[in-house]
Amino acid sequence: DMKVTQMPRYLIKRMGENVLLECGQDMSHETMYWYRQDPGLGLQLIYISYDVDSNSEGDIPKGYRVSRKKREHFSLILDSAKTNQTSVYFCASSLTGVDTQYFGPGTRLLVL
Amino acid sequence: GQQVQQSPASLVLQEGENAELQCNFSTSLNSMQWFYQRPGGSLVSLFYNPSGTKHSGRLTSTTVIKERRSSLHISSSQTTDSGTYLCAFLTGNTGKLIFGLGTTLQVQP
Repeated sequence: DMKVTQMPRYLIKRMGENVLLECGQDMSHETMYWYRQDPGLGLQLIYISYDVDSNSEGDIPKGYRVSRKKREHFSLILDSAKTNQTSVYFCASSLTGVDTQYFGPGTRLLVL
Repeated sequence: GQQVQQSPASLVLQEGENAELQCNFSTSLNSMQWFYQRPGGSLVSLFYNPSGTKHSGRLTSTTVIKERRSSLHISSSQTTDSGTYLCAFLTGNTGKLIFGLGTTLQVQP
């Protein structure tokens, strides 16, 4: 059963704190993604990773960084979180990057 | 401007009615994907459809690449079909999906 997991599912942080969002997939997919979803703006791509240590900026990378040291794990890091980073964050993966994307359950992040 | 236009923005149906959702793209695309999302939920892939027509149960997706459009047909709607339907297109070989804002469907009993 193909699965993308995300941890934590819910997170509350204070402005200036560091945030680590984790994503895993058990499908040996090459490509992984981080998106955020906001009302009225839809889903926006933050970063894309084509394989281990092969990461590329998406459309809104400012304020974020990523790490992929194993093919099955992709982390999103917010150094010194800001209130405008309050959002729902989705991780996704696809086998080659030009086929079906599978999404995780999302992480709801509130930055106070 | 928005590269992906979805219409209608919202739709209310009575159970048993059919629905036709449209997605139009402003640039050339390699492929597109339809997703379903429940309020507060994740995205579930319905179709990955580079071109032509695909069927899955009561759902039919038709993509015409040359005309930069795709449609999602839902037949005999059920209350459990309520939610948001998102389309997204894949451009180039970067693997980046560009999303529309979605069509919110409410099916009443």
